[in-house]
Amino acid sequence: QVQLVQAGGEVKQPGASVKVSCKASGYTFTSYALHWVRQAPGQRLEWMGWINAGNGNTKYSQKFQGRVTITRDTSASTAYMELSSLRSEDTAVYYCAGDDILTGYLAYWGQGTLVTVSS
Amino acid sequence: DVVMTQSPLSLPVTLGQPASISCRSSQSLVHSDGNTYLNWFQQRPGQSPRRLIYKVSNRDSGVPDRFSGSGSGTDFTLKISRVEAEDVGVYYCMQGTHWPTWTFGQGTKVEIK
Repeated sequence: QVQLVQAGGEVKQPGASVKVSCKASGYTFTSYALHWVRQAPGQRLEWMGWINAGNGNTKYSQKFQGRVTITRDTSASTAYMELSSLRSEDTAVYYCAGDDILTGYLAYWGQGTLVTVSS
Repeated sequence: DVVMTQSPLSLPVTLGQPASISCRSSQSLVHSDGNTYLNWFQQRPGQSPRRLIYKVSNRDSGVPDRFSGSGSGTDFTLKISRVEAEDVGVYYCMQGTHWPTWTFGQGTKVEIK
């Protein structure tokens, strides 16, 4: 079955960058798109961006444009989300979510990675 | 950007009773390909979100049939026919019609009275 496994939590200082990973298994990695969604404490889900795992094309939410970069390593079946110029408001759980070719968007979710931004 | 608005934001329900959540979009969600890309997600406390419904009314595999989705255009509804204790959590609608930007609603918290 499809699994998306994310790395453990990170603690970063304001101004730093963080790179979160999402390893996929159970399907052909390059066949589907992967999204990144974040959730600040007590807040709603917030879509950040998307990568076509096949050709590497990306699209980012305007809110994060210029600060977020999504990449993938097809040999490792892994996608990455890097967020720069971190501030305290970026403290959140960051999820990767994968599409399904038959049923569509955000069918599968990783377990989330807590990123804490604190001095 | 498309704005998704849910109501109510909090929904106390008696066990065994029905529940209904509304989701409205600021633009029609009918795609040029004829599909309507409106999904519903459930997030239980401390867990990752789980997709329940895709394209308005299609239940994902393993989702109990007490969950149903309906609607068209800009107005959509998620219904739980008889709420069970395991249904406690936050429910989100999300549009994917106006990709490549996806938008979530604010979330509706379902709790047991």
